[in-house]
Amino acid sequence: SQTIHQWPATLVQPVGSPLSLECTVEGTSNPNLYWYRQAAGRGLQLLFYSVGIGQISSEVPQNLSASRPQDRQFILSSKKLLLSDSGFYLCAWSGLAGGDLRGYTFGSGTRLTVV
Amino acid sequence: AQTVTQSQPEMSVQEAETVTLSCTYDTSESDYYLFWYKQPPSRQMILVIRQEAYKQQNATENRFSVNFQKAAKSFSLKISDSQLGDAAMYFCAYPSAGNMLTFGGGTRLMVKP
Repeated sequence: SQTIHQWPATLVQPVGSPLSLECTVEGTSNPNLYWYRQAAGRGLQLLFYSVGIGQISSEVPQNLSASRPQDRQFILSSKKLLLSDSGFYLCAWSGLAGGDLRGYTFGSGTRLTVV
Repeated sequence: AQTVTQSQPEMSVQEAETVTLSCTYDTSESDYYLFWYKQPPSRQMILVIRQEAYKQQNATENRFSVNFQKAAKSFSLKISDSQLGDAAMYFCAYPSAGNMLTFGGGTRLMVKP
């Protein structure tokens, strides 16, 4: 069965420090991978998505970047965090089963607080 | 651009009663999928139910069912026999090109014992 791992679960970082959040998927190959951010009490905002190794599309211009060094690994990074980067970050993957989109499977999320 | 709208920021239901959460969306596609996700206080996103637009029959998963009105672009979620564990944020979602899910703003469901 497919599983998705996301870490760390919680992170407190000072303004101006770097960031690296990692997400890995098991039990599937060539998944579509996504990074979302969720502000408190709000909906989900798509940040990046990837359809393959080295292929990254950005939905929102910002202080963040993403990379996909391996088929089932997706990394969210920043060189210098801003206060506005605080939020809840979710990684997700999607794939097709029998040609049907089965929806996303989400990681457990990372709560990032920039202080 | 596709949009997904949930017009009810908060809803409340008595335990064992039925509640319906509303969702409307905008698309020019004819074949697509629609999803409802639940986000409990743990913030884990859990898929509740999926609807395929080409199917006339409304999807059902145990106590959860949808009322899908394709012409009206409406996709509401009905929760029957509400339980305390149903208390959560509920998000409606529609996938655009590249299977990117666009989410509504969410509805917070409170269940009263």
